[in-house]
Amino acid sequence: DGGITQSPKYLFRKEGQNVTLSCEQNLNHDAMYWYRQDPGQGLRLIYYSQIVNDFQKGDIAEGYSVSREKKESFPLTVTSAQKNPTAFYLCASNRDGLSNQPQHFGDGTRLSIL
Amino acid sequence: EDKVVQSPLSLVVHEGDTVTLNCSYEVTNFRSLLWYKQEKKAPTFLFMLTSSGIEKKSGRLSSILDKKELSSILNITATQTGDSAIYLCAASNDYKLSFGAGTTVTVRA
Repeated sequence: DGGITQSPKYLFRKEGQNVTLSCEQNLNHDAMYWYRQDPGQGLRLIYYSQIVNDFQKGDIAEGYSVSREKKESFPLTVTSAQKNPTAFYLCASNRDGLSNQPQHFGDGTRLSIL
Repeated sequence: EDKVVQSPLSLVVHEGDTVTLNCSYEVTNFRSLLWYKQEKKAPTFLFMLTSSGIEKKSGRLSSILDKKELSSILNITATQTGDSAIYLCAASNDYKLSFGAGTTVTVRA
């Protein structure tokens, strides 16, 4: 089945630790996105990538890093510089990053501080 | 700064009631308005609206965009307990979506 797979579903981070969230898609989409969702708030864009080997900062990129070495993969690293990492992280994709196509989402990763 | 505001933030209805959710937006280079339903995990796509005044329907759900008023509504008729969810509105410009905080709908049997 085509879709977006995020792993792990739950992740715990210790102080000073970097953690990496995985996002893989088999939809052959060019564009991929990372969002953060906090209770009572909408989704906020962290990073996005419209093509392999290229990515752009979103609205809240500080404390996060990404890579896009393969079309199907867009991992997100939450670094120790992100002081409030507890949130629900959602990965999304669409065909070519244009606004005339909806973004489709993975099931998310819930990150907590130990 | 791009802004999307949804109202109400939450509501509780009984099965069979009709629900109207509101979304207003201020987005530079606006292209389209999207509605998503989020239960426990992934938001699932409901509608994309680009033209003003044209209603989109899917079963008991319908939505319409008013570009003059910079707003959209999502209607759910004959609500069922399975409609309980967070409904997210998002406005797109050339390359990104800006989301509202969502409306939490609870449908009681």
